[in-house]
Amino acid sequence: DAKTTQPPSMDCAEGRAANLPCNHSTISGNEYVYWYRQIHSQGPQYIIHGLKNNETNEMASLIITEDRKSSTLILPHATLRDTAVYYCIVSHSSYKLIFGSGTRLLVRP
Amino acid sequence: EPEVTQTPSHQVTQMGQEVILRCVPISNHLYFYWYRQILGQKVEFLVSFYNNEISEKSEIFDDQFSVERPDGSNFTLKIRSTKLEDSAMYFCASSEAGGENTEAFFGQGTRLTVV
Repeated sequence: DAKTTQPPSMDCAEGRAANLPCNHSTISGNEYVYWYRQIHSQGPQYIIHGLKNNETNEMASLIITEDRKSSTLILPHATLRDTAVYYCIVSHSSYKLIFGSGTRLLVRP
Repeated sequence: EPEVTQTPSHQVTQMGQEVILRCVPISNHLYFYWYRQILGQKVEFLVSFYNNEISEKSEIFDDQFSVERPDGSNFTLKIRSTKLEDSAMYFCASSEAGGENTEAFFGQGTRLTVV
C-alpha cells in the first residue's frame, strides 16, 4: 500500500473550516484514500473515503487532486469535539489498514 | 446506529496468564479484525478473519495469539501467556465486505494491562 505524508500537527479556530492535507504521491490506480480519526485513546472513527472523485458526507468533505497524488480532508465548521488525531490511509480496501502517525488537530475556542 | 462493541473496557492480568478479549461486530458484517495500539505508538494491524478462517496476520500475531468466532455474534482474541509488552489498547473492527470500496468500523477498545 502507498505511503502517506501528513503534517504532525495543525490547529484551527472553532467554527472555522479545518483543512487537513495528505500527500500520497505513490498511490496506485486502484487504491482508495481513507480518513479516520482517533479522539484520545478511543477506537479509530471512520470519516470518509474516495477513489478519485471528491466526496462529501455528514462529517466532512474529501478533495482529491486530479493526479491523485494528494488530498485534503475538510471539516467545514470545526468544533472542540473535532480535536483528534486524523489519519490519512491509502489502501485497496479497508481489509488491512496501515496507520501512520497522523495529524494532531487542535481546535481552539 | 450499529456499532462494534468490546468487553471488557479494561482488563488487568498477571504476566503469564491467559486473557480473552471479546467483541461483537456489526451484525451484517462478514470481515473481522483486531488491531492494537501500545501507549503513545501507532495503531497496528494484528489479524483479519473471514469465513471462520484467518485471512491475513501480521508479524505481531504469533503463536501466543488466536482468534475465534465461537458463535454467530462474538469474535474473540485470546492471548495465551501474556507478557508485559502485550499491554496495549486492543481494537476490534468489522466491515461488510473485504473488497474495494469498503469501510471498517472500530470498537472503543479494551485496555489490557499486564502486571
